Amino acid sequence: DAMVIQNPRYQVTQFGKPVTLSCSQTLNHNVMYWYQQKSSQAPKLLFHYYDKDFNNEADTPDNFQSRRPNTSFCFLDIRSPGLGDAAMYLCATSPRGVYGYTFGSGTRLTVV
Amino acid sequence: GDSVTQMEGPVTLSEEAFLTINCTYTATGYPSLFWYVQYPGEGLQLLLKATKADDKGSNKGFEATYRKETTSFHLEKGSVQVSDSAVYFCALSLSNFGNEKLTFGTGTRLTIIP
Repeated sequence: DAMVIQNPRYQVTQFGKPVTLSCSQTLNHNVMYWYQQKSSQAPKLLFHYYDKDFNNEADTPDNFQSRRPNTSFCFLDIRSPGLGDAAMYLCATSPRGVYGYTFGSGTRLTVV
Repeated sequence: GDSVTQMEGPVTLSEEAFLTINCTYTATGYPSLFWYVQYPGEGLQLLLKATKADDKGSNKGFEATYRKETTSFHLEKGSVQVSDSAVYFCALSLSNFGNEKLTFGTGTRLTIIP
Protein backbone atom coordinates (compact mmCIF):
# COMPACT_ATOMS: atom_id res chain seq x y z
CA ASP A 1 0.00 0.00 0.00
CA ALA A 2 1.15 3.49 -0.76
CA MET A 3 1.92 5.26 2.44
CA VAL A 4 3.97 7.66 4.50
CA ILE A 5 6.51 6.01 6.79
CA GLN A 6 8.26 7.67 9.67
CA ASN A 7 11.29 6.27 11.40
CA PRO A 8 11.84 5.70 14.17
CA ARG A 9 8.50 5.59 16.00
CA TYR A 10 10.20 6.52 19.26
CA GLN A 11 13.43 8.46 19.60
CA VAL A 12 15.27 9.35 22.77
CA THR A 13 18.04 11.91 22.52
CA GLN A 14 20.24 13.77 24.94
CA PHE A 15 19.89 17.45 25.63
CA GLY A 16 21.94 19.32 23.03
CA LYS A 17 22.77 16.25 20.92
CA PRO A 18 21.75 16.59 17.26
CA VAL A 19 19.00 14.26 16.13
CA THR A 20 17.47 13.45 12.75
CA LEU A 21 13.99 12.15 12.09
CA SER A 22 13.11 10.63 8.74
CA CYS A 23 10.05 10.38 6.56
CA SER A 24 9.55 8.49 3.33
CA GLN A 25 6.61 8.23 0.98
CA THR A 26 5.55 5.94 -1.82
CA LEU A 27 2.75 8.24 -2.97
CA ASN A 28 4.91 10.39 -5.25
CA HIS A 29 3.33 13.51 -3.75
CA ASN A 30 4.84 16.89 -4.54
CA VAL A 31 4.42 18.38 -1.09
CA MET A 32 5.91 17.14 2.18
CA TYR A 33 5.24 18.71 5.57
CA TRP A 34 6.60 18.52 9.10
CA TYR A 35 4.26 19.24 12.00
CA GLN A 36 5.14 19.38 15.68
CA GLN A 37 2.52 18.16 18.15
CA LYS A 38 3.22 18.78 21.82
CA SER A 39 1.24 17.01 24.48
CA SER A 40 -2.42 18.10 24.51
CA GLN A 41 -1.74 20.77 21.89
CA ALA A 42 -2.67 21.23 18.26
CA PRO A 43 -0.26 20.05 15.59
CA LYS A 44 1.74 23.03 14.38
CA LEU A 45 3.35 23.33 10.95
CA LEU A 46 7.11 23.78 11.08
CA PHE A 47 7.85 23.86 7.35
CA HIS A 48 7.00 22.25 4.05
CA TYR A 49 8.57 21.46 0.71
CA TYR A 50 6.79 21.97 -2.58
CA ASP A 51 8.99 19.79 -4.72
CA LYS A 52 12.43 21.20 -3.85
CA ASP A 53 11.15 24.59 -2.75
CA PHE A 54 11.51 24.98 1.00
CA ASN A 55 8.94 27.01 2.93
CA ASN A 56 9.66 27.83 6.54
CA GLU A 57 6.96 29.03 8.94
CA ALA A 58 7.85 32.42 10.41
CA ASP A 59 7.87 31.16 14.00
CA THR A 60 9.82 27.95 13.45
CA PRO A 61 12.97 28.11 15.59
CA ASP A 62 16.34 28.15 13.81
CA ASN A 63 17.19 25.00 15.73
CA PHE A 64 14.97 23.08 13.29
CA GLN A 65 16.22 22.32 9.80
CA SER A 66 14.97 20.12 7.01
CA ARG A 67 16.32 18.34 3.94
CA ARG A 68 14.57 16.78 1.01
CA PRO A 69 17.14 14.97 -1.14
CA ASN A 70 14.53 13.51 -3.48
CA THR A 71 10.76 13.17 -3.91
CA SER A 72 10.50 10.19 -1.60
CA PHE A 73 12.44 11.31 1.45
CA CYS A 74 12.37 14.22 3.83
CA PHE A 75 14.38 14.69 7.03
CA LEU A 76 13.90 16.83 10.11
CA ASP A 77 17.13 17.84 11.84
CA ILE A 78 17.12 19.29 15.33
CA ARG A 79 20.57 20.78 15.85
CA SER A 80 20.53 21.16 19.63
CA PRO A 81 17.42 19.65 21.17
CA GLY A 82 16.10 21.23 24.32
CA LEU A 83 13.61 19.81 26.78
CA GLY A 84 10.93 21.94 25.14
CA ASP A 85 11.40 20.12 21.85
CA ALA A 86 9.98 16.90 23.25
CA ALA A 87 6.92 16.22 21.11
CA MET A 88 5.34 14.05 18.46
CA TYR A 89 6.66 14.97 15.01
CA LEU A 90 4.27 14.27 12.18
CA CYS A 91 5.22 14.03 8.55
CA ALA A 92 2.54 14.46 5.91
CA THR A 93 2.35 14.56 2.14
CA SER A 94 -0.09 15.87 -0.41
CA PRO A 95 -0.15 15.95 -4.19
CA ARG A 96 -1.01 19.66 -4.13
CA GLY A 97 -3.27 21.50 -1.78
CA VAL A 98 -4.91 20.22 1.37
CA TYR A 99 -7.34 17.70 -0.01
CA GLY A 100 -4.97 14.81 -0.39
CA TYR A 101 -3.09 15.01 2.89
CA THR A 102 -1.68 11.70 4.13
CA PHE A 103 -0.03 11.59 7.53
CA GLY A 104 2.60 9.22 8.82
CA SER A 105 2.28 7.60 12.24
CA GLY A 106 4.66 10.09 13.78
CA THR A 107 7.90 9.97 15.75
CA ARG A 108 7.70 10.64 19.45
CA LEU A 109 10.83 12.46 20.56
CA THR A 110 11.99 12.41 24.17
CA VAL A 111 14.83 14.67 25.29
CA VAL A 112 16.72 13.62 28.41
CA GLY B 1 -4.50 35.12 12.63
CA ASP B 2 -6.46 32.07 11.61
CA SER B 3 -7.47 29.80 14.47
CA VAL B 4 -9.68 26.89 15.46
CA THR B 5 -11.35 26.48 18.83
CA GLN B 6 -12.55 23.06 19.88
CA MET B 7 -14.65 21.75 22.68
CA GLU B 8 -12.54 20.88 25.69
CA GLY B 9 -12.14 17.22 26.46
CA PRO B 10 -12.00 14.55 27.45
CA VAL B 11 -15.46 13.39 26.49
CA THR B 12 -16.78 10.08 27.79
CA LEU B 13 -19.98 8.58 26.44
CA SER B 14 -21.79 5.30 26.62
CA GLU B 15 -22.10 3.18 23.51
CA GLU B 16 -25.02 4.25 21.25
CA ALA B 17 -25.09 7.75 22.74
CA PHE B 18 -25.36 10.86 20.55
CA LEU B 19 -22.11 12.72 20.00
CA THR B 20 -21.46 16.41 19.39
CA ILE B 21 -17.99 17.94 19.39
CA ASN B 22 -18.09 21.70 18.91
CA CYS B 23 -15.70 23.52 16.61
CA THR B 24 -15.59 27.21 15.73
CA TYR B 25 -13.08 29.03 13.62
CA THR B 26 -11.64 32.44 12.88
CA ALA B 27 -10.30 33.07 9.40
CA THR B 28 -9.54 36.05 7.22
CA GLY B 29 -10.95 34.45 4.08
CA TYR B 30 -13.14 31.52 3.15
CA PRO B 31 -11.51 28.41 4.53
CA SER B 32 -12.02 24.76 3.84
CA LEU B 33 -12.86 22.85 7.00
CA PHE B 34 -11.84 19.38 8.09
CA TRP B 35 -12.20 16.84 10.84
CA TYR B 36 -9.27 14.52 11.43
CA VAL B 37 -9.18 11.51 13.75
CA GLN B 38 -6.15 10.07 15.52
CA TYR B 39 -6.39 6.55 16.90
CA PRO B 40 -3.90 5.47 19.57
CA GLY B 41 -0.40 5.08 18.17
CA GLU B 42 -1.40 6.19 14.69
CA GLY B 43 -1.17 9.27 12.52
CA LEU B 44 -3.97 11.64 11.66
CA GLN B 45 -6.63 10.40 9.25
CA LEU B 46 -9.07 12.59 7.38
CA LEU B 47 -12.60 11.89 8.62
CA LEU B 48 -14.57 14.41 6.57
CA LYS B 49 -14.33 17.80 4.94
CA ALA B 50 -16.39 20.71 3.60
CA THR B 51 -15.11 23.30 1.19
CA LYS B 52 -17.81 25.97 1.17
CA ALA B 53 -20.68 27.34 3.23
CA ASP B 54 -23.64 24.99 3.83
CA ASP B 55 -21.66 21.96 2.62
CA LYS B 56 -22.14 18.86 4.73
CA GLY B 57 -19.26 16.44 5.10
CA SER B 58 -20.05 12.88 6.11
CA ASN B 59 -18.19 9.63 6.65
CA LYS B 60 -18.63 6.50 8.81
CA GLY B 61 -21.80 7.91 10.35
CA PHE B 62 -20.16 11.21 11.31
CA GLU B 63 -21.45 14.49 9.90
CA ALA B 64 -20.49 18.15 10.06
CA THR B 65 -22.04 21.16 8.33
CA TYR B 66 -20.08 24.26 7.36
CA ARG B 67 -21.97 27.17 8.96
CA LYS B 68 -20.57 30.45 7.76
CA GLU B 69 -23.00 32.57 9.78
CA THR B 70 -21.85 31.03 13.05
CA THR B 71 -18.30 30.17 11.84
CA SER B 72 -18.81 26.63 13.07
CA PHE B 73 -18.21 23.05 11.94
CA HIS B 74 -19.57 20.86 14.72
CA LEU B 75 -19.02 17.11 14.49
CA GLU B 76 -22.01 14.83 15.18
CA LYS B 77 -22.77 11.14 15.23
CA GLY B 78 -26.10 9.63 16.11
CA SER B 79 -24.90 6.44 17.78
CA VAL B 80 -21.28 6.06 18.83
CA GLN B 81 -19.40 2.78 19.12
CA VAL B 82 -16.45 1.73 21.24
CA SER B 83 -14.33 1.77 18.10
CA ASP B 84 -14.92 5.54 17.79
CA SER B 85 -12.68 6.14 20.80
CA ALA B 86 -9.92 8.42 19.53
CA VAL B 87 -8.76 12.03 19.48
CA TYR B 88 -10.66 14.28 17.05
CA PHE B 89 -9.14 17.40 15.52
CA CYS B 90 -10.95 20.19 13.74
CA ALA B 91 -8.84 22.02 11.18
CA LEU B 92 -9.04 24.71 8.54
CA SER B 93 -7.08 25.73 5.52
CA LEU B 94 -7.02 28.87 3.46
CA SER B 95 -5.49 26.91 0.66
CA ASN B 96 -3.60 29.07 -1.73
CA PHE B 97 -1.33 27.63 -4.33
CA GLY B 98 1.98 27.01 -2.62
CA ASN B 99 0.55 27.38 0.88
CA GLU B 100 -1.38 24.31 1.90
CA LYS B 101 -1.12 24.76 5.65
CA LEU B 102 -3.60 23.12 8.00
CA THR B 103 -4.44 25.01 11.20
CA PHE B 104 -5.65 22.61 13.87
CA GLY B 105 -7.63 22.88 17.05
CA THR B 106 -6.21 21.33 20.20
CA GLY B 107 -8.11 18.08 19.79
CA THR B 108 -10.89 16.39 21.77
CA ARG B 109 -10.27 13.00 23.31
CA LEU B 110 -13.35 10.80 23.04
CA THR B 111 -13.80 7.62 25.05
CA ILE B 112 -16.78 5.34 24.49
CA ILE B 113 -17.60 2.86 27.22
CA PRO B 114 -19.57 -0.32 26.52
